Amino acid sequence: SQTIHQWPATLVQPVGSPLSLECTVEGTSNPNLYWYRQAAGRGLQLLFYSVGIGQISSEVPQNLSASRPQDRQFILSSKKLLLSDSGFYLCAWGGGAKAFFGQGTRLTVV
Amino acid sequence: DQQVKQNSPSLSVQEGRISILNCDYTNSMFDYFLWYKKYPAEGPTFLISISSIKDKNEDGRFTVFLNKSAKHLSLHIVPSQPGDSAVYFCGSQGNLIFGKGTKLSVKP
Repeated sequence: SQTIHQWPATLVQPVGSPLSLECTVEGTSNPNLYWYRQAAGRGLQLLFYSVGIGQISSEVPQNLSASRPQDRQFILSSKKLLLSDSGFYLCAWGGGAKAFFGQGTRLTVV
Repeated sequence: DQQVKQNSPSLSVQEGRISILNCDYTNSMFDYFLWYKKYPAEGPTFLISISSIKDKNEDGRFTVFLNKSAKHLSLHIVPSQPGDSAVYFCGSQGNLIFGKGTKLSVKP
């Protein structure tokens, strides 16, 4: 069965520090992978999606970047965090008529 | 340009009554539409989907209706239960674009 792992669950980082959130998928190959952010009181905003290794599409301009170094690994990064980067980040993979989400990372930038 | 829209940020219903959550879309090329349920600080969980070639899909208390001419779909929950209280997201399969969600509160 397919599973998706996302870590860490919570993270508190100072402004200006770097960020690396990792997401890995098991039980599938060549998945479409996605990063979302849910800011307080807002919906699921699609940040990046990837259809294959090294293929990244950005949906919104921002302080973040994404990379896909391996087929089942998707990384969300920032060189210097801003206060506005705080939020709940979700990784997902899509297949057929469903999509599966990780449990999310609560990022607080202080 | 929002491809998937949920225009009602919140909905409150009484336990045992019907909850109707609405969603509009702009892209007619979507093959499937998905509904997800999300509790605070957790990842969304899949609830139900509907193929674009159908107009109804039912799973227990949950039924999704698709009106292609109006580019509109709706999720019906009947009877509503307090445990259904959550944020519900409508989305399109493929590019996984979601609406902003509707917060459902079911009061005992």
